[in-house]
Amino acid sequence: NAGVTQTPKFRVLKTGQSMTLLCAQDMNHEYMYWYRQDPGMGLRLIHYSVGEGTTAKGEVPDGYNVSRLKKQNFLLGLESAAPSQTSVYFCASRLPGEETQYFGPGTRLLVL
Amino acid sequence: SQQGEEDPQALSIQEGENATMNCSYKTSINNLQWYRQNSGRGLVHLILIRSNEREKHSGRLRVTLDTSKKSSSLLITASRAADTASYFCATAPLNSGYSTLTFGKGTMLLVSP
Repeated sequence: NAGVTQTPKFRVLKTGQSMTLLCAQDMNHEYMYWYRQDPGMGLRLIHYSVGEGTTAKGEVPDGYNVSRLKKQNFLLGLESAAPSQTSVYFCASRLPGEETQYFGPGTRLLVL
Repeated sequence: SQQGEEDPQALSIQEGENATMNCSYKTSINNLQWYRQNSGRGLVHLILIRSNEREKHSGRLRVTLDTSKKSSSLLITASRAADTASYFCATAPLNSGYSTLTFGKGTMLLVSP
């Protein structure tokens, strides 16, 4: 039981490049979340999904897109990376009947 | 905008001492949770307290909630070096439909041997 895993662990992008971050969970969780964490800012919610095929915007969705084609995977896409998107990205998941979120180890993204 | 604000931003204590962190929030909530983050790692859930509860214990952790003041505190008793981490409060706002949490900026705790 791997829990929540994130791929890649670290990535460097140039401004304007695109990439996709993958989050996978093997706990059969319905709800999945993408956050970004910046120094001194805590975690801010980017997008979330309450089930396969559904997504919703969080607090800071601009510049990101997401897809939930399979229940176990939640993809976060950056179509045209900007230096302001340099951050650590965390994925989390949970069951509908529980309030606890389970976090992945994070992806460090540097946009030059 | 972020719901929770932790206080203090940083706390440095000696092993064996107690550590108290506070969290204030802005809107009515369903529950409040505390998470720990070790350096460079993901967050780990510590404890949850519901809006109709005032105090909760789990091992060396004690959480209080005052909904009239919109505040919570996390007490770690007999701290250990392994407790060194950042601690975040997270609230489930009433209008979130139980789906989302809003995190504070965190308290960095350093426990020295």
